Amino acid sequence: SAVISQKPSRDICQRGTSLTIQCQVDSQVTMMFWYRQQPGQSLTLIATANQGSEATYESGFVIDKFPISRPNLTFSTLTVSNMSPEDSSIYLCSVTGVTNEKLFFGSGTQLSVL
Amino acid sequence: AQSVSQHNHHVILSEAASLELGCNYSYGGTVNLFWYVQYPGQHLQLLLKYFSGDPLVKGIKGFEAEFIKSKFSFNLRKPSVQWSDTAEYFCAVTDTGRRALTFGSGTRLQVQP
Repeated sequence: SAVISQKPSRDICQRGTSLTIQCQVDSQVTMMFWYRQQPGQSLTLIATANQGSEATYESGFVIDKFPISRPNLTFSTLTVSNMSPEDSSIYLCSVTGVTNEKLFFGSGTQLSVL
Repeated sequence: AQSVSQHNHHVILSEAASLELGCNYSYGGTVNLFWYVQYPGQHLQLLLKYFSGDPLVKGIKGFEAEFIKSKFSFNLRKPSVQWSDTAEYFCAVTDTGRRALTFGSGTRLQVQP
């Protein structure tokens, strides 16, 4: 199984600032995704992180607010920009291998915006 | 587009009662189906998954789920719940092309001792 290291595990941030979340995998994976879980809600896909090209965003999410990088097959970052209290959520990185049989989640980043 | 419906939002059971949580999805192609559990204050944990083969899938902690293609359903079952099963349960679906998961809204299970 893949081991996913997601940092930071939690943070408390001020309104208007930005936070970058890192996701590191111990093996090469084909696809990486970023999800958000708002308090008391289910998980929603933010975007697919594409290696060496712009991420593919889901409806309701834009690059200016959630810039994503994926410089190689094992690493990705998600930045939450110009934060507001509505951005308080758990953000999760997910990876898959060649098939969905190998699908894993990171431990998540709990973000609180004051 | 894919969607997942979990009709039971909050279920309260006594210990030893049987459990069945409903999950219906909408997608006409080949799907992969998952059930995840999230214990209070903890992260997602995979309970079981269906990719192909036997439509009755057995997972961890005594859980099982049955894929009924004609009903677009993947209901989760456990014959006898324990207090430690108190958690939020999420059904999720993806297809072999999309690869990202679409989650249901979740079902909060509360087991009373």
